[in-house]
Amino acid sequence: SQQGEEDPQALSIQEGENATMNCSYKTSINNLQWYRQNSGRGLVHLILIRSNEREKHSGRLRVTLDTSKKSSSLLITASRAADTASYFCAGTNAGKSTFGDGTTLTVKP
Amino acid sequence: NAGVTQTPKFQVLKTGQSMTLQCAQDMNHEYMSWYRQDPGMGLRLIHYSVGAGITDQGEVPNGYNVSRSTTEDFPLRLLSAAPSQTSVYFCASSFRQSYNSPLHFGNGTRLTVT
Repeated sequence: SQQGEEDPQALSIQEGENATMNCSYKTSINNLQWYRQNSGRGLVHLILIRSNEREKHSGRLRVTLDTSKKSSSLLITASRAADTASYFCAGTNAGKSTFGDGTTLTVKP
Repeated sequence: NAGVTQTPKFQVLKTGQSMTLQCAQDMNHEYMSWYRQDPGMGLRLIHYSVGAGITDQGEVPNGYNVSRSTTEDFPLRLLSAAPSQTSVYFCASSFRQSYNSPLHFGNGTRLTVT
């Protein structure tokens, strides 16, 4: 069973717009991580938010975590064509990370 | 700095054949793991290791074996390949199995079983 479920499954926006992806998870977590995957490549870690944090920023990325709703969101501001990729959330419990099915983001130039 | 290296990049097997997917990391990471990714889906954990000599099962371990004789290497063995094992396999490592160690991924091995 998947720990995280992303919504939407696919998102298409224009360059310069903001992109928001949501993730829901099922069991308790120690932290939640977001990863990016370019086509045909491995996943790259973007940002980690701990279970006792509510919001975290890194450059153009903003992540929120609501443990009461078991949900997280990833906001990418001022998107660029190079942000086109698949984005995955992963809930970590006891050191093991369980991934959702991902959101495919397309940013049109 | 190579990071996590997986070989081979591509492999085609016939049903019933066996093979080993190699994974090596040069970051002195304690924790290593294997995932499979099926088309349009996320990653599912096959096996993991928290240190040399220690391995444990993940979500989908059937049909796979692992060993961890050194800190650097974590090979994944397919005992008798089946078409259901057609997938992309990713090896990932982290500093340790702690709460705040992100995973570092290799570029994957694309396996087709006919």
